[in-house]
Amino acid sequence: DSGVTQTPKHLITATGQRVTLRCSPRSGDLSVYWYQQSLDQGLQFLIQYYNGEERAKGNILERFSAQQFPDLHSELNLSSLELGDSALYFCASSVATGTSGTLSTDTQYFGPGTRLTVL
Amino acid sequence: AQKITQTQPGMFVQEKEAVTLDCTYDTSDQSYGLFWYKQPSSGEMIFLIYQGSYDEQNATEGRYSLNFQKARKSANLVISASQLGDSAMYFCAMREGRIPRGSQGNLIFGKGTKLSVKP
Repeated sequence: DSGVTQTPKHLITATGQRVTLRCSPRSGDLSVYWYQQSLDQGLQFLIQYYNGEERAKGNILERFSAQQFPDLHSELNLSSLELGDSALYFCASSVATGTSGTLSTDTQYFGPGTRLTVL
Repeated sequence: AQKITQTQPGMFVQEKEAVTLDCTYDTSDQSYGLFWYKQPSSGEMIFLIYQGSYDEQNATEGRYSLNFQKARKSANLVISASQLGDSAMYFCAMREGRIPRGSQGNLIFGKGTKLSVKP
């Protein structure tokens, strides 16, 4: 158990709908990352939050958005869903408090993932 | 641009034998971290081992060791005494390190190697 929790574990919805995925980081971790894993694209970084602020964006679609709340949990909102959005969505967390030059040592721990199926 | 290459889509190993999973990377940064994750069929991503670019010794964690050859830009994972429970997808990932505190630090993943352990 990594200490990162994600809900729900499975989500089945229809095209055009909107869903919210939730993530609670490990105790003490300030940074939350969202990744998407699909068969054709592999594991791709979507977005990172650090202590409530957006820090980096990857290949995140405009239909997707995220936020990190004061209690550090994060939500990923996916709207106008398409069949191609079906994937496994991971949240990861890390301390991310290393000084300059040492952030590479910061290990990300992944949650169990939310498997989204869009029908 | 950062890139991770895992050239072995699938591998078989006999139980109790050792196996090496290949990973090569490409980065122009001098400070970076290399990670290996395991993804069983259940889907979760499990952190296995970390190697920093400035670490002089190869990392080890139990039955896992990392054969780090900086000049060749390779970071191969060695699993000793394979067990049936080692059957899974294995992902190599990299993170560039010379980043200010709390700033972006997402992982770049390879496409993975599927390891099957035969009894």
